Amino acid sequence: AQSVAQPEDQVNVAEGNPLTVKCTYSVSGNPYLFWYVQYPNRGLQFLLKYITGDNLVKGSYGFEAEFNKSQTSFHLKKPSALVSDSALYFCAVRVAGGSYIPTFGRGTSLIVHP
Amino acid sequence: NAGVTQTPKFQVLKTGQSMTLQCAQDMNHEYMSWYRQDPGMGLRLIHYSVGAGITDQGEVPNGYNVSRSTTEDFPLRLLSAAPSQTSVYFCASSPRDRGLVEQYFGPGTRLTVT
Repeated sequence: AQSVAQPEDQVNVAEGNPLTVKCTYSVSGNPYLFWYVQYPNRGLQFLLKYITGDNLVKGSYGFEAEFNKSQTSFHLKKPSALVSDSALYFCAVRVAGGSYIPTFGRGTSLIVHP
Repeated sequence: NAGVTQTPKFQVLKTGQSMTLQCAQDMNHEYMSWYRQDPGMGLRLIHYSVGAGITDQGEVPNGYNVSRSTTEDFPLRLLSAAPSQTSVYFCASSPRDRGLVEQYFGPGTRLTVT
Protein backbone atom coordinates (compact mmCIF):
# COMPACT_ATOMS: atom_id res chain seq x y z
CA ALA A 1 0.00 0.00 0.00
CA GLN A 2 1.13 3.54 -0.63
CA SER A 3 -0.24 6.95 0.29
CA VAL A 4 0.93 10.52 0.35
CA ALA A 5 -0.28 13.56 2.27
CA GLN A 6 0.14 17.23 1.56
CA PRO A 7 -1.08 18.81 4.78
CA GLU A 8 -1.43 22.36 3.43
CA ASP A 9 -3.99 23.29 0.81
CA GLN A 10 -2.30 26.63 0.32
CA VAL A 11 1.05 28.19 1.12
CA ASN A 12 1.61 31.93 0.99
CA VAL A 13 5.08 33.44 0.81
CA ALA A 14 6.56 36.81 -0.07
CA GLU A 15 8.79 37.08 -3.10
CA GLY A 16 12.43 36.65 -2.13
CA ASN A 17 11.63 34.61 0.97
CA PRO A 18 12.35 30.89 1.26
CA LEU A 19 9.47 28.53 0.58
CA THR A 20 8.59 25.05 1.78
CA VAL A 21 5.80 22.81 0.50
CA LYS A 22 5.30 19.79 2.73
CA CYS A 23 4.81 16.15 1.78
CA THR A 24 4.68 13.04 3.93
CA TYR A 25 4.29 9.51 2.67
CA SER A 26 3.44 6.00 3.76
CA VAL A 27 4.68 2.90 1.94
CA SER A 28 5.42 -0.68 2.88
CA GLY A 29 8.94 -0.70 1.50
CA ASN A 30 11.38 1.71 -0.09
CA PRO A 31 9.75 4.81 -1.60
CA TYR A 32 10.25 6.48 -4.92
CA LEU A 33 9.17 10.11 -4.52
CA PHE A 34 8.32 12.74 -7.11
CA TRP A 35 7.32 16.40 -7.22
CA TYR A 36 5.32 17.90 -10.08
CA VAL A 37 4.17 21.45 -10.76
CA GLN A 38 0.99 22.53 -12.54
CA TYR A 39 0.64 26.04 -13.90
CA PRO A 40 -2.88 27.37 -14.60
CA ASN A 41 -4.64 25.56 -17.44
CA ARG A 42 -1.64 23.32 -18.07
CA GLY A 43 -0.70 19.70 -17.51
CA LEU A 44 1.66 18.57 -14.77
CA GLN A 45 5.38 19.04 -15.26
CA PHE A 46 8.06 17.01 -13.52
CA LEU A 47 10.27 18.92 -11.04
CA LEU A 48 12.44 16.37 -9.27
CA LYS A 49 12.56 12.87 -7.83
CA TYR A 50 14.19 10.76 -5.16
CA ILE A 51 15.01 7.18 -6.01
CA THR A 52 18.08 6.40 -3.94
CA GLY A 53 21.34 7.97 -2.81
CA ASP A 54 21.81 11.54 -1.60
CA ASN A 55 18.89 12.68 0.53
CA LEU A 56 19.00 16.20 -0.94
CA VAL A 57 17.69 16.24 -4.46
CA LYS A 58 18.00 19.23 -6.79
CA GLY A 59 15.55 19.82 -9.62
CA SER A 60 14.27 22.31 -12.13
CA TYR A 61 13.80 26.06 -11.58
CA GLY A 62 15.98 26.13 -8.45
CA PHE A 63 13.81 23.75 -6.45
CA GLU A 64 15.18 21.07 -4.16
CA ALA A 65 13.71 18.49 -1.83
CA GLU A 66 15.04 16.58 1.14
CA PHE A 67 14.20 12.94 1.72
CA ASN A 68 13.86 12.18 5.42
CA LYS A 69 13.29 8.49 6.04
CA SER A 70 12.76 8.74 9.80
CA GLN A 71 10.07 11.37 9.38
CA THR A 72 8.73 9.84 6.14
CA SER A 73 8.84 13.25 4.51
CA PHE A 74 9.90 14.76 1.20
CA HIS A 75 9.43 18.51 1.54
CA LEU A 76 9.93 20.77 -1.47
CA LYS A 77 12.05 23.86 -0.90
CA LYS A 78 13.43 26.90 -2.66
CA PRO A 79 15.75 29.47 -1.09
CA SER A 80 14.18 32.52 -2.74
CA ALA A 81 10.64 32.46 -4.11
CA LEU A 82 9.59 34.15 -7.34
CA VAL A 83 6.11 35.36 -8.26
CA SER A 84 6.36 33.03 -11.26
CA ASP A 85 6.62 30.06 -8.85
CA SER A 86 2.93 30.52 -8.04
CA ALA A 87 1.29 27.25 -9.10
CA LEU A 88 -0.18 23.99 -7.85
CA TYR A 89 2.37 21.48 -6.57
CA PHE A 90 1.84 17.73 -6.33
CA CYS A 91 3.84 15.15 -4.44
CA ALA A 92 3.68 11.53 -5.63
CA VAL A 93 4.97 8.24 -4.25
CA ARG A 94 5.30 4.68 -5.33
CA VAL A 95 6.89 1.73 -3.59
CA ALA A 96 9.97 0.03 -5.03
CA GLY A 97 9.02 -3.30 -6.56
CA GLY A 98 5.32 -2.48 -6.52
CA SER A 99 2.94 -1.11 -9.13
CA TYR A 100 4.58 1.39 -11.44
CA ILE A 101 1.56 3.69 -10.90
CA PRO A 102 2.32 6.43 -8.36
CA THR A 103 -0.15 7.79 -5.82
CA PHE A 104 -0.58 11.55 -5.90
CA GLY A 105 -1.27 13.94 -3.05
CA ARG A 106 -4.15 16.39 -3.23
CA GLY A 107 -1.89 19.25 -4.21
CA THR A 108 -0.75 22.46 -2.54
CA SER A 109 -1.42 25.85 -4.06
CA LEU A 110 1.65 28.07 -3.71
CA ILE A 111 1.02 31.80 -3.88
CA VAL A 112 4.03 34.09 -4.00
CA HIS A 113 3.18 37.71 -3.25
CA PRO A 114 5.17 40.55 -4.85
CA ASN B 1 8.53 15.53 -30.85
CA ALA B 2 5.05 16.60 -29.69
CA GLY B 3 5.11 14.61 -26.43
CA VAL B 4 1.64 13.76 -25.10
CA THR B 5 -1.28 15.31 -26.97
CA GLN B 6 -4.93 15.34 -25.96
CA THR B 7 -8.04 16.29 -27.92
CA PRO B 8 -10.35 18.05 -27.53
CA LYS B 9 -9.22 20.76 -25.10
CA PHE B 10 -12.77 21.59 -24.09
CA GLN B 11 -16.04 19.67 -24.39
CA VAL B 12 -19.60 20.16 -23.21
CA LEU B 13 -21.90 17.13 -23.13
CA LYS B 14 -25.47 16.57 -22.18
CA THR B 15 -26.29 13.87 -19.66
CA GLY B 16 -26.47 10.50 -21.37
CA GLN B 17 -24.28 11.38 -24.33
CA SER B 18 -21.15 9.40 -25.09
CA MET B 19 -17.80 10.58 -26.32
CA THR B 20 -14.15 9.63 -26.64
CA LEU B 21 -11.24 11.64 -25.26
CA GLN B 22 -8.18 11.13 -27.40
CA CYS B 23 -4.62 10.73 -26.11
CA ALA B 24 -1.51 10.11 -28.18
CA GLN B 25 2.20 10.07 -27.45
CA ASP B 26 5.14 9.95 -29.84
CA MET B 27 7.84 8.88 -27.36
CA ASN B 28 7.29 5.14 -27.72
CA HIS B 29 6.34 4.88 -24.05
CA GLU B 30 4.96 1.55 -22.86
CA TYR B 31 3.00 2.91 -19.90
CA MET B 32 -0.01 5.21 -20.28
CA SER B 33 -2.59 6.40 -17.76
CA TRP B 34 -5.75 8.46 -17.49
CA TYR B 35 -6.43 10.70 -14.49
CA ARG B 36 -9.19 13.05 -13.52
CA GLN B 37 -8.55 16.18 -11.50
CA ASP B 38 -11.21 17.65 -9.27
CA PRO B 39 -10.84 20.53 -6.79
CA GLY B 40 -9.55 19.30 -3.44
CA MET B 41 -9.26 15.73 -4.71
CA GLY B 42 -5.91 15.85 -6.46
CA LEU B 43 -5.36 13.38 -9.27
CA ARG B 44 -7.32 10.16 -9.31
CA LEU B 45 -6.39 7.27 -11.57
CA ILE B 46 -9.14 6.07 -13.92
CA HIS B 47 -7.46 3.42 -16.10
CA TYR B 48 -3.95 2.55 -17.10
CA SER B 49 -2.05 0.41 -19.59
CA VAL B 50 1.37 -1.23 -19.47
CA GLY B 51 1.46 -1.93 -23.18
CA ALA B 52 -0.56 -2.46 -26.33
CA GLY B 53 -3.45 -4.81 -25.67
CA ILE B 54 -3.14 -4.57 -21.87
CA THR B 55 -5.32 -2.31 -19.73
CA ASP B 56 -6.38 -2.27 -16.09
CA GLN B 57 -8.66 -0.32 -13.79
CA GLY B 58 -7.53 2.41 -11.48
CA GLU B 59 -9.18 4.04 -8.49
CA VAL B 60 -12.29 5.45 -10.24
CA PRO B 61 -13.04 3.36 -13.37
CA ASN B 62 -16.84 3.32 -13.31
CA GLY B 63 -18.43 4.96 -16.34
CA TYR B 64 -15.24 4.84 -18.41
CA ASN B 65 -13.76 2.41 -20.90
CA VAL B 66 -10.31 2.26 -22.46
CA SER B 67 -8.48 0.27 -25.09
CA ARG B 68 -4.85 0.19 -26.23
CA SER B 69 -4.56 -1.14 -29.76
CA THR B 70 -1.27 0.66 -30.46
CA THR B 71 1.63 1.90 -28.36
CA GLU B 72 0.88 5.49 -29.36
CA ASP B 73 -2.84 5.85 -28.61
CA PHE B 74 -4.88 5.42 -25.45
CA PRO B 75 -8.45 6.73 -25.88
CA LEU B 76 -10.86 7.15 -22.96
CA ARG B 77 -14.55 6.52 -23.64
CA LEU B 78 -17.39 7.92 -21.60
CA LEU B 79 -20.27 5.54 -22.13
CA SER B 80 -23.17 7.65 -20.83
CA ALA B 81 -22.04 10.99 -19.47
CA ALA B 82 -23.19 12.10 -16.02
CA PRO B 83 -22.75 15.47 -14.26
CA SER B 84 -20.41 13.72 -11.79
CA GLN B 85 -17.98 13.25 -14.68
CA THR B 86 -17.50 17.00 -15.03
CA SER B 87 -13.76 17.31 -14.49
CA VAL B 88 -10.40 17.94 -16.08
CA TYR B 89 -8.91 14.81 -17.62
CA PHE B 90 -5.20 14.22 -18.01
CA CYS B 91 -3.39 11.54 -19.95
CA ALA B 92 0.15 10.60 -18.97
CA SER B 93 2.85 8.31 -20.31
CA SER B 94 6.20 6.97 -19.16
CA PRO B 95 8.76 4.48 -20.43
CA ARG B 96 9.11 1.03 -18.95
CA ASP B 97 11.91 1.50 -16.40
CA ARG B 98 10.70 -0.22 -13.23
CA GLY B 99 8.79 2.93 -12.38
CA LEU B 100 11.94 4.96 -11.81
CA VAL B 101 11.11 7.47 -14.50
CA GLU B 102 8.70 10.35 -14.16
CA GLN B 103 5.45 10.61 -16.11
CA TYR B 104 4.84 12.97 -19.01
CA PHE B 105 1.45 14.65 -18.95
CA GLY B 106 -0.76 16.01 -21.70
CA PRO B 107 -2.34 19.48 -21.51
CA GLY B 108 -5.71 18.14 -20.36
CA THR B 109 -9.33 18.07 -21.53
CA ARG B 110 -11.86 20.14 -19.61
CA LEU B 111 -15.21 18.33 -19.72
CA THR B 112 -18.53 19.74 -18.59
CA VAL B 113 -21.62 17.54 -18.40
CA THR B 114 -24.94 19.37 -18.12
